[in-house]
Amino acid sequence: QVQLVESGGGVVRPGGSQTLACVASGFSFSNYGMHWVRQAPGKGLDWVAAISADGDYQFYGDSMKGQVIISRDNSKNTLYLQMKSLRTEDTAVYYCAKDQDSDFWRGSPLDYWGQGTLVTVSS
Amino acid sequence: EIVLTQSPATLSVSPGERATLSCRASQSIDRYLAWYQQRPGQVPRLLIYGASKRATGIPARFSGSGSGTDFTLTINSLEPADFAIYYCQQRINWPPTFGQGTRVEI
Repeated sequence: QVQLVESGGGVVRPGGSQTLACVASGFSFSNYGMHWVRQAPGKGLDWVAAISADGDYQFYGDSMKGQVIISRDNSKNTLYLQMKSLRTEDTAVYYCAKDQDSDFWRGSPLDYWGQGTLVTVSS
Repeated sequence: EIVLTQSPATLSVSPGERATLSCRASQSIDRYLAWYQQRPGQVPRLLIYGASKRATGIPARFSGSGSGTDFTLTINSLEPADFAIYYCQQRINWPPTFGQGTRVEI
């Protein structure tokens, strides 16, 4: 079955950097676009970034644009999110999620989500 | 960026009743709308995509409708597990924005 397992969360000082990883299994990872979505404590879902199956195209949401870089290593079935200049308001659970459709440009929903990894930005 | 506005923010219903949730887009999104359910302490789960198609394993009491700018998620015969927060998301344009959520409570 499809599994997405995030890691890399923890406590980070304001202004610091963190890299999250998401290891995928149970599907052909290299065929699907992937996303990062975050959720601050008690708040709603905030889409962060997406990357095409081959890694050639990346898109970023306004909330973290310029602060994050999404990347992937298809040989390792792993998705990454590099974050820098972190602020207290970036404290959130960060989820990786998979496109339902293998056509990245089809605009399909996110059909599988990982359990998330908590990033806490605090001094 | 397309803004999705969900209403109401909170919906109070009794088990066995029907819940009707609304999602309105700031511009036409055709039928590129999905609904997700998030139970307390759990991961979001895809319910509906393409405005009206149920995702795998989703019971028939969940239905979606609408196109363009106005969409509805209807939950018939509410069960205890249905009390959760529901989010809509558009996928016609980048970035794929979410609505702010509707909490369905007892």
